[in-house]
Amino acid sequence: GESVGLHLPTLSVQEGDNSIINCAYSNSASDYFIWYKQESGKGPQFIIDIRSNMDKRQGQRVTVLLNKTVKHLSLQIAATQPGDSAVYFCAEIAIQGAQKLVFGQGTRLTINP
Amino acid sequence: DAGITQSPRHKVTETGTPVTLRCHQTENHRYMYWYRQDPGHGLRLIHYSYGVKDTDKGEVSDGYSVSRSKTEDFLLTLESATSSQTSVYFCAIRKQERSEAFFGQGTRLTVV
Repeated sequence: GESVGLHLPTLSVQEGDNSIINCAYSNSASDYFIWYKQESGKGPQFIIDIRSNMDKRQGQRVTVLLNKTVKHLSLQIAATQPGDSAVYFCAEIAIQGAQKLVFGQGTRLTINP
Repeated sequence: DAGITQSPRHKVTETGTPVTLRCHQTENHRYMYWYRQDPGHGLRLIHYSYGVKDTDKGEVSDGYSVSRSKTEDFLLTLESATSSQTSVYFCAIRKQERSEAFFGQGTRLTVV
Protein backbone atom coordinates (compact mmCIF):
# COMPACT_ATOMS: atom_id res chain seq x y z
CA GLY A 1 0.00 0.00 0.00
CA GLU A 2 0.92 3.64 -0.14
CA SER A 3 3.60 4.78 2.26
CA VAL A 4 2.28 7.64 4.33
CA GLY A 5 5.51 8.10 6.25
CA LEU A 6 7.94 9.03 3.49
CA HIS A 7 9.32 12.02 5.37
CA LEU A 8 8.76 11.01 8.96
CA PRO A 9 11.53 10.90 11.56
CA THR A 10 12.92 7.39 11.66
CA LEU A 11 14.41 5.18 14.33
CA SER A 12 16.22 1.92 13.58
CA VAL A 13 17.01 -0.55 16.35
CA GLN A 14 18.26 -4.11 16.57
CA GLU A 15 15.80 -6.83 17.40
CA GLY A 16 15.82 -7.42 21.14
CA ASP A 17 17.00 -3.91 21.99
CA ASN A 18 14.86 -1.31 23.70
CA SER A 19 13.35 1.56 21.70
CA ILE A 20 12.47 5.04 22.84
CA ILE A 21 10.19 7.20 20.72
CA ASN A 22 9.74 10.83 21.65
CA CYS A 23 7.02 13.38 21.13
CA ALA A 24 6.54 17.05 21.96
CA TYR A 25 2.96 18.07 22.64
CA SER A 26 1.44 21.51 22.44
CA ASN A 27 -1.62 21.84 24.67
CA SER A 28 -1.00 22.19 28.40
CA ALA A 29 -4.74 21.70 28.97
CA SER A 30 -4.78 18.17 27.51
CA ASP A 31 -6.01 15.56 29.96
CA TYR A 32 -4.80 12.43 28.21
CA PHE A 33 -1.77 11.65 26.09
CA ILE A 34 -1.98 8.60 23.91
CA TRP A 35 0.28 6.46 21.74
CA TYR A 36 -0.92 4.79 18.56
CA LYS A 37 0.76 2.30 16.26
CA GLN A 38 0.08 2.23 12.54
CA GLU A 39 1.12 -0.65 10.35
CA SER A 40 1.32 -0.31 6.60
CA GLY A 41 -2.09 -0.14 4.93
CA LYS A 42 -4.01 -0.04 8.20
CA GLY A 43 -5.60 2.50 10.49
CA PRO A 44 -3.83 3.54 13.71
CA GLN A 45 -4.26 1.26 16.69
CA PHE A 46 -4.29 2.33 20.36
CA ILE A 47 -1.28 1.20 22.42
CA ILE A 48 -1.40 2.98 25.75
CA ASP A 49 -2.47 6.26 27.31
CA ILE A 50 -1.45 8.31 30.31
CA ARG A 51 -3.49 10.81 32.23
CA SER A 52 -2.03 14.28 32.73
CA ASN A 53 -1.76 13.83 36.52
CA MET A 54 0.63 10.88 36.08
CA ASP A 55 4.26 10.79 34.98
CA LYS A 56 4.65 7.11 34.17
CA ARG A 57 2.47 4.24 33.10
CA GLN A 58 3.47 0.71 32.16
CA GLY A 59 1.81 -1.78 29.91
CA GLN A 60 2.91 -5.02 28.36
CA ARG A 61 6.45 -4.32 27.06
CA VAL A 62 5.65 -0.61 26.80
CA THR A 63 6.14 2.30 29.16
CA VAL A 64 4.96 5.85 28.62
CA LEU A 65 6.64 8.76 30.37
CA LEU A 66 5.16 12.23 30.65
CA ASN A 67 7.15 15.35 31.47
CA LYS A 68 4.73 18.26 31.74
CA THR A 69 7.48 20.76 32.55
CA VAL A 70 8.90 20.51 29.05
CA LYS A 71 5.73 19.17 27.36
CA HIS A 72 7.41 15.91 26.41
CA LEU A 73 6.03 12.42 26.02
CA SER A 74 7.97 9.23 25.34
CA LEU A 75 7.16 5.62 24.52
CA GLN A 76 9.59 2.94 25.55
CA ILE A 77 9.29 -0.47 23.93
CA ALA A 78 11.22 -3.24 25.62
CA ALA A 79 12.87 -6.13 23.77
CA THR A 80 11.69 -5.01 20.36
CA GLN A 81 10.38 -7.60 17.94
CA PRO A 82 9.95 -7.53 14.14
CA GLY A 83 6.23 -6.96 14.66
CA ASP A 84 7.01 -3.65 16.35
CA SER A 85 8.05 -2.16 13.01
CA ALA A 86 5.46 0.52 12.29
CA VAL A 87 4.79 4.24 12.47
CA TYR A 88 4.08 5.49 15.99
CA PHE A 89 1.99 8.56 16.71
CA CYS A 90 1.42 10.48 19.87
CA ALA A 91 -1.94 12.18 20.39
CA GLU A 92 -3.56 14.38 22.98
CA ILE A 93 -7.09 15.16 24.07
CA ALA A 94 -8.79 17.44 26.56
CA ILE A 95 -11.78 15.76 28.21
CA GLN A 96 -14.04 18.78 28.24
CA GLY A 97 -16.07 20.54 25.63
CA ALA A 98 -15.99 18.97 22.19
CA GLN A 99 -13.00 16.68 22.96
CA LYS A 100 -10.83 17.22 19.92
CA LEU A 101 -8.28 14.43 19.39
CA VAL A 102 -5.08 15.82 17.86
CA PHE A 103 -2.10 13.84 16.57
CA GLY A 104 1.60 14.57 16.40
CA GLN A 105 3.72 13.94 13.30
CA GLY A 106 4.78 10.36 13.97
CA THR A 107 7.99 8.33 14.00
CA ARG A 108 8.80 5.32 11.83
CA LEU A 109 10.36 2.49 13.82
CA THR A 110 12.33 -0.14 11.93
CA ILE A 111 13.54 -3.31 13.65
CA ASN A 112 16.70 -4.82 12.18
CA PRO A 113 17.20 -8.59 12.52
CA ASP B 1 -12.26 -5.10 15.55
CA ALA B 2 -14.44 -2.17 16.59
CA GLY B 3 -17.59 -1.86 14.50
CA ILE B 4 -16.49 0.91 12.19
CA THR B 5 -16.57 0.82 8.41
CA GLN B 6 -15.61 3.37 5.82
CA SER B 7 -16.99 3.51 2.31
CA PRO B 8 -15.86 3.57 -0.34
CA ARG B 9 -12.40 2.13 0.31
CA HIS B 10 -11.02 3.53 -2.93
CA LYS B 11 -12.25 6.28 -5.19
CA VAL B 12 -10.96 8.16 -8.20
CA THR B 13 -12.77 11.37 -9.06
CA GLU B 14 -12.33 14.36 -11.29
CA THR B 15 -11.40 17.85 -10.20
CA GLY B 16 -14.46 19.97 -9.46
CA THR B 17 -16.83 17.12 -8.64
CA PRO B 18 -18.42 16.68 -5.20
CA VAL B 19 -17.45 13.58 -3.26
CA THR B 20 -18.95 12.10 -0.10
CA LEU B 21 -17.19 9.62 2.15
CA ARG B 22 -19.13 7.66 4.71
CA CYS B 23 -18.16 6.47 8.16
CA HIS B 24 -20.55 4.01 9.78
CA GLN B 25 -20.31 2.66 13.33
CA THR B 26 -22.25 0.03 15.22
CA GLU B 27 -20.78 0.90 18.66
CA ASN B 28 -23.06 3.82 19.57
CA HIS B 29 -19.96 5.92 20.41
CA ARG B 30 -20.60 9.62 20.87
CA TYR B 31 -17.46 11.04 19.25
CA MET B 32 -16.50 10.68 15.61
CA TYR B 33 -13.53 12.16 13.74
CA TRP B 34 -12.33 12.59 10.18
CA TYR B 35 -8.59 12.79 9.45
CA ARG B 36 -6.50 12.95 6.33
CA GLN B 37 -3.08 11.39 6.11
CA ASP B 38 -0.40 12.54 3.70
CA PRO B 39 3.33 11.76 3.51
CA GLY B 40 5.21 13.89 6.01
CA HIS B 41 2.08 15.27 7.67
CA GLY B 42 0.87 12.49 9.90
CA LEU B 43 -2.83 12.58 10.74
CA ARG B 44 -4.52 15.95 10.41
CA LEU B 45 -7.96 16.56 11.82
CA ILE B 46 -10.54 17.77 9.30
CA HIS B 47 -13.80 17.81 11.27
CA TYR B 48 -15.18 16.04 14.28
CA SER B 49 -18.51 15.41 15.93
CA TYR B 50 -19.49 15.29 19.58
CA GLY B 51 -23.08 14.23 19.03
CA VAL B 52 -25.90 14.13 16.52
CA LYS B 53 -25.91 17.43 14.61
CA ASP B 54 -22.96 18.65 16.73
CA THR B 55 -19.80 19.14 14.70
CA ASP B 56 -16.75 21.36 14.74
CA LYS B 57 -13.80 22.19 12.53
CA GLY B 58 -10.36 20.74 12.82
CA GLU B 59 -7.07 22.14 11.58
CA VAL B 60 -7.60 21.49 7.85
CA SER B 61 -11.33 22.01 7.32
CA ASP B 62 -11.25 24.28 4.25
CA GLY B 63 -12.98 22.62 1.30
CA TYR B 64 -14.69 20.02 3.47
CA SER B 65 -18.06 19.79 5.17
CA VAL B 66 -19.58 17.14 7.41
CA SER B 67 -22.95 15.97 8.58
CA ARG B 68 -24.12 13.73 11.36
CA SER B 69 -27.86 13.22 11.28
CA LYS B 70 -27.76 10.02 13.33
CA THR B 71 -25.34 8.51 15.82
CA GLU B 72 -24.03 5.80 13.54
CA ASP B 73 -23.13 7.83 10.44
CA PHE B 74 -20.63 10.65 9.92
CA LEU B 75 -20.36 11.90 6.35
CA LEU B 76 -17.45 13.89 4.92
CA THR B 77 -18.13 15.88 1.76
CA LEU B 78 -15.60 17.47 -0.52
CA GLU B 79 -17.69 20.20 -2.04
CA SER B 80 -15.57 20.57 -5.18
CA ALA B 81 -12.67 18.16 -5.20
CA THR B 82 -9.17 19.46 -5.94
CA SER B 83 -5.92 17.60 -6.56
CA SER B 84 -4.63 18.77 -3.16
CA GLN B 85 -7.37 16.67 -1.57
CA THR B 86 -5.83 13.47 -2.91
CA SER B 87 -5.12 11.64 0.31
CA VAL B 88 -5.95 8.74 2.56
CA TYR B 89 -8.92 9.57 4.78
CA PHE B 90 -9.48 7.94 8.15
CA CYS B 91 -12.52 7.96 10.36
CA ALA B 92 -12.30 7.30 14.09
CA ILE B 93 -14.84 6.75 16.86
CA ARG B 94 -14.46 7.20 20.58
CA LYS B 95 -16.48 6.60 23.71
CA GLN B 96 -16.96 9.60 25.99
CA GLU B 97 -15.25 8.19 29.06
CA ARG B 98 -12.25 6.70 27.24
CA SER B 99 -9.25 8.26 25.51
CA GLU B 100 -8.96 5.30 23.14
CA ALA B 101 -10.19 5.87 19.59
CA PHE B 102 -10.88 3.15 17.05
CA PHE B 103 -10.05 3.75 13.42
CA GLY B 104 -11.55 2.56 10.20
CA GLN B 105 -9.49 1.00 7.43
CA GLY B 106 -9.23 4.25 5.52
CA THR B 107 -10.42 5.55 2.15
CA ARG B 108 -7.89 6.22 -0.56
CA LEU B 109 -9.13 9.17 -2.62
CA THR B 110 -7.45 10.27 -5.83
CA VAL B 111 -8.52 13.50 -7.52
CA VAL B 112 -7.42 13.72 -11.16
